[in-house]
Amino acid sequence: GAVVSQHPSRVICKSGTSVKIECRSLDFQATTMFWYRQFPKQSLMLMATSNEGSKATYEQGVEKDKFLINHASLTLSTLTVTSAHPEDSSFYICSARTGGSYNSPLHFGNGTRLTVT
Amino acid sequence: RKEVEQDPGPFNVPEGATVAFNCTYSNSASQSFFWYRQDCRKEPKLLMSVYSSGNEDGRFTAQLNRASQYISLLIRDSKLSDSATYLCVVTAYGGSQGNLIFGKGTKLSVKP
Repeated sequence: GAVVSQHPSRVICKSGTSVKIECRSLDFQATTMFWYRQFPKQSLMLMATSNEGSKATYEQGVEKDKFLINHASLTLSTLTVTSAHPEDSSFYICSARTGGSYNSPLHFGNGTRLTVT
Repeated sequence: RKEVEQDPGPFNVPEGATVAFNCTYSNSASQSFFWYRQDCRKEPKLLMSVYSSGNEDGRFTAQLNRASQYISLLIRDSKLSDSATYLCVVTAYGGSQGNLIFGKGTKLSVKP
């Protein structure tokens, strides 16, 4: 069964509005969660690493003021896309590890398909 | 050179065929390797980890060649349900939490 839950699975919003995406670890605590983005026919690209109780680490080229990440508890991380624009339309996926080793595989949420009109 | 390279395909094969996918990675310091499958418009799901000695899980066999920085996935007796995009994934060197680097994927289409 799923170990990482993501909500909503699909959202359509108007340009200029903000959208919040939730990522929950089920039955395990995740001090770290990862947020990826995937454009059509492209590979998953890491946007940021969400750390419980501290600031997120953003990848180069990802605007931290536009993509707000909050990891307030050991089971929940949220990504807020602020002032969304059509170019932000993409598939956003969160992930976490159930294993303690950083070499263990990631488990993904079911993803959020964002369409900005 | 891209960090993880895969033949995008598509590979169109009949049911029951054996198909092999290859992947090369650029960073010799990568520590862990995985194959994920991703169905259309869905999240990636772990198919199997890839171990140095090679490993098998039912109809799936994964191989790793560190010297050549090459990973492979072999699928025997293909099923219709194997149709998906197969992602080659390696851990990123230097990532504080072992970030994963994804290939673009190889698309497989199994026909009746």
